[in-house]
Amino acid sequence: KAGVTQTPRYLIKTRGQQVTLSCSPISGHRSVSWYQQTPGQGLQFLFEYFSETQRNKGNFPGRFSGRQFSNSRSEMNVSTLELGDSALYLCASSLVTGARNEQYFGPGTRLTVT
Amino acid sequence: AQKVTQAQTEISVVEKEDVTLDCVYETRDTTYYLFWYKQPPSGELVFLIRRNSFDEQNEISGRYSWNFQKSTSSFNFTITASQVVDSAVYFCALSEAGGSEKLVFGKGTKLTVNP
Repeated sequence: KAGVTQTPRYLIKTRGQQVTLSCSPISGHRSVSWYQQTPGQGLQFLFEYFSETQRNKGNFPGRFSGRQFSNSRSEMNVSTLELGDSALYLCASSLVTGARNEQYFGPGTRLTVT
Repeated sequence: AQKVTQAQTEISVVEKEDVTLDCVYETRDTTYYLFWYKQPPSGELVFLIRRNSFDEQNEISGRYSWNFQKSTSSFNFTITASQVVDSAVYFCALSEAGGSEKLVFGKGTKLTVNP
């Protein structure tokens, strides 16, 4: 079974630009979560989508948004990029059942804002 | 509020030593789940174990073992006879029961195993 894939793997953008990152979950997984990882703040939850609906959102400004498509693929968008948005963005998918299952993570997208 | 504390920022050991990574959590829920993930230098988080709040049984998987104690809100991870390939950052995470899959992570412990 293929794992979680994320594209692109690396991205360099300029302040003020916007960026879209893509995530394809493991086949059959309907929940997709996004996390931001930085050296200072560690791993922080951005948002989670399940069946095309946002189920939860972390404490990030409105410049961060996302969506999920009917095939469970997800995208996240960051508008008006700031230097502090430089980070590793990780996507995770999970199989939603009655219990909490483990999330499987993709390799991440390394975003550098200059 | 949920919180996970990994007090050890970095640990360095020599190969074949045993090492324990500490994890202390805070939650008001009675039903919750605890996880350990490994992040090697490649960057991808690798799932190691999941434990729910009703299962305090310790678990052993090869050289890895986990000690879950609700009384002290701890979920510690021990690697026996460490190897160089164990070098990575290890994260402990908490997820409360409910409609969201959200994970709250600790800051991680960087383990370096020297030959």
